[in-house]
Amino acid sequence: GAVVSQHPSWVICKSGTSVKIECRSLDFQATTMFWYRQFPKQSLMLMATSNEGSKATYEQGVEKDKFLINHASLTLSTLTVTSAHPEDSSFYICSARQGEIYEQYFGPGTRLTVT
Amino acid sequence: GNSVTQMEGPVTLSEEAFLTINCTYTATGYPSLFWYVQYPGEGLQLLLKATKADDKGSNKGFEATYRKETTSFHLEKGSVQVSDSAVYFCALRGQGGSYIPTFGRGTSLIVHP
Repeated sequence: GAVVSQHPSWVICKSGTSVKIECRSLDFQATTMFWYRQFPKQSLMLMATSNEGSKATYEQGVEKDKFLINHASLTLSTLTVTSAHPEDSSFYICSARQGEIYEQYFGPGTRLTVT
Repeated sequence: GNSVTQMEGPVTLSEEAFLTINCTYTATGYPSLFWYVQYPGEGLQLLLKATKADDKGSNKGFEATYRKETTSFHLEKGSVQVSDSAVYFCALRGQGGSYIPTFGRGTSLIVHP
C-alpha cells in the first residue's frame, strides 16, 4: 500500500523557536496533502489542505502565519510552527492522496513538545 | 453538513470477547465509509472501508456493513485480542466537494488478558 512518512517522529523545542515537520509520500505522487492536529484522547482536527504548487487552504481558526505550510513538490509538504508556545504542543499528523477520488494515507505523526 | 457519531469509550473487554463499536452518520447522497485504527503513539491506519449500501468491509477479523436504512457502519469482531487495544475512528467521505473525510471522535478499546 501507499506509504507516507513524517520527520521527525518527535521533537522538543524551546518556547519562541520555530520547528519544521516534513511529510513525504514515498511511493506515489500526492497532489493534495493534509495536516491534522490531535489533542490527547480526541479526534483529528483538520488544520489545512495543500495542493502542490499553490497556497494552502486553512480551516477556520487556524493561524496561517503561525502554521506555515509549503507543498513544494508532489512528494513533500512541510509544516513550520513559528514562534512555538507550550500550547502548540500536540500530535501533528499529515496525510496525502493522489487525487480527489483517491484514498488518503496517513503518516505516523509527529509529537511536538514546547517547553 | 456531514457528521459522524461514535459511541463513547473506553470500551473495556476481556480477550476473546465479542466487540461492537457503534457508528452512525449523517450525509447527503451515498458517502464512502471507513474505519481507521490508531495504535498508541502512531498515526492512523485504514482498517476497512465500504463504498456503497450493503457492502461489507473486512480486515484482520474486523468487519462492518454499510447500512443505508439505519445510516450506520458498526464495527464488529468476534474475538478480540490484547493487540487490538487501540483507538478506532469511524469516518465518511462524501461524494462531492473536496472529498475530505469527516472523522468521528474515536473510541478507545482496551483488551485485558
